[in-house]
Amino acid sequence: EVQLLESGGGLVQPGGSLRLSCAASGLTFSINAMSWVRQAPGKGLEWVSTIGGSGARTYYADSVKGRFTISRDNSKNTLFLQLNSLRVEDTAIYYCAKGGGYGFDPWGQGTLVTVSS
Amino acid sequence: QSALTQPRSVSGSLGQSVTISCTGTSSDVGGYSYVSWYQHHPGKAPKLVIYNVSERPSGVPDRFSGSKSGNTASLTISGLQADDEADYYCYSYAGTYTFVVFGGGTRLTVL
Repeated sequence: EVQLLESGGGLVQPGGSLRLSCAASGLTFSINAMSWVRQAPGKGLEWVSTIGGSGARTYYADSVKGRFTISRDNSKNTLFLQLNSLRVEDTAIYYCAKGGGYGFDPWGQGTLVTVSS
Repeated sequence: QSALTQPRSVSGSLGQSVTISCTGTSSDVGGYSYVSWYQHHPGKAPKLVIYNVSERPSGVPDRFSGSKSGNTASLTISGLQADDEADYYCYSYAGTYTFVVFGGGTRLTVL
């Protein structure tokens, strides 16, 4: 059974930074694209970023391009999302999910990022 | 990236069927067969219920079905059960530039 466990969320001031992690188990991590999807309070799901299995290809939503960086460590079966220049509107639950352009399955339970002064 | 268009809410009685629509463009829903649907109970991880327009993952009951016509995809849930009450999101691949896009979500209420 594939399991994804996010960590690293918390409270940060506007302009600050945070690094999210997603530990994966039960899959051959290095051959799977991985993604981050977020849900702001009271809003719908929003795709954030995707990385290919080798890490060579990355994709970003316009809303985070230039501020967020997705990466992975295939030796540790771990996905990362570096969040810089955070804004109040980045407040959301951030989900890690297996997959990329063709869909996401499964998803982790999410980690909450709150951007507030 | 613009969201795909879904109704904000739908409702149906126990045992009945409901259909949720998802309207995009020829650059996303109409242009690819990579449409999927997700069930999201608040506080839980979203769950894939349909992929590749009409395929069901193992473990998803055949009460869930998907289809597509032109730029509009649809999710039909038959034999409604209380546990089907949730938010449902459609999703589509949208090419190498936009990459992917979600619908705005539909709240299903089971009466």
